Amino acid sequence: DAGVIQSPRHEVTEMGQEVTLRCKPISGHNSLFWYRQTMMRGLELLIYFNNNVPIDDSGMPEDRFSAKMPNASFSTLKIQPSEPRDSAVYFCASSHDLQGQYNEQFFGPGTRLTVL
Amino acid sequence: AQTVTQSQPEMSVQEAETVTLSCTYDTSESDYYLFWYKQPPSRQMILVIRQEAYKQQNATENRFSVNFQKAAKSFSLKISDSQLGDAAMYFCACLNTNAGKSTFGDGTTLTVKP
Repeated sequence: DAGVIQSPRHEVTEMGQEVTLRCKPISGHNSLFWYRQTMMRGLELLIYFNNNVPIDDSGMPEDRFSAKMPNASFSTLKIQPSEPRDSAVYFCASSHDLQGQYNEQFFGPGTRLTVL
Repeated sequence: AQTVTQSQPEMSVQEAETVTLSCTYDTSESDYYLFWYKQPPSRQMILVIRQEAYKQQNATENRFSVNFQKAAKSFSLKISDSQLGDAAMYFCACLNTNAGKSTFGDGTTLTVKP
């Protein structure tokens, strides 16, 4: 298996622009998680999906952030408009969960976002 | 709410020696798992070891083992025969298996000296 795939690996954009991060979970996994990692705040859970349905988005910092999971093999995290304080590494992770019992998460390589 | 505390921001060990990384957690859940993840400079998060809270036996994976003290809510990681490739940031995490949310500690940066 290729593992969790994220694209792009690096993104540099200017303040005010729209940014879309993409994630393909491990085939067969039914839960997907978006995290943000910064030096100041560490690793933060933004939102997670189970069977393509958003379960908890309480970590999404502002309305500028939105996430979708249109099918079991694809998810996007969008920031519109982007701001310099959004600069961070964004991780996607997936897990295979049975009958409501969650298991360990496998992480993608991350997207390093820089907003100028 | 869950909390995970790693009290050692940085640790160092001599190659081939043993080092222990500390982690304490707090959760009101009865069903949870604990993990140690490794994040090398490539920043890929790699699962090192996992422990189910209902198991009394400490998990081991080759040179990595844990000391799980459930009553004390302590979950330390021991790395034996340390290798240069072990140098990384290590994160302790607690997963609420019913709700799916993981809480991560702030990480411990491990340096391995040749």
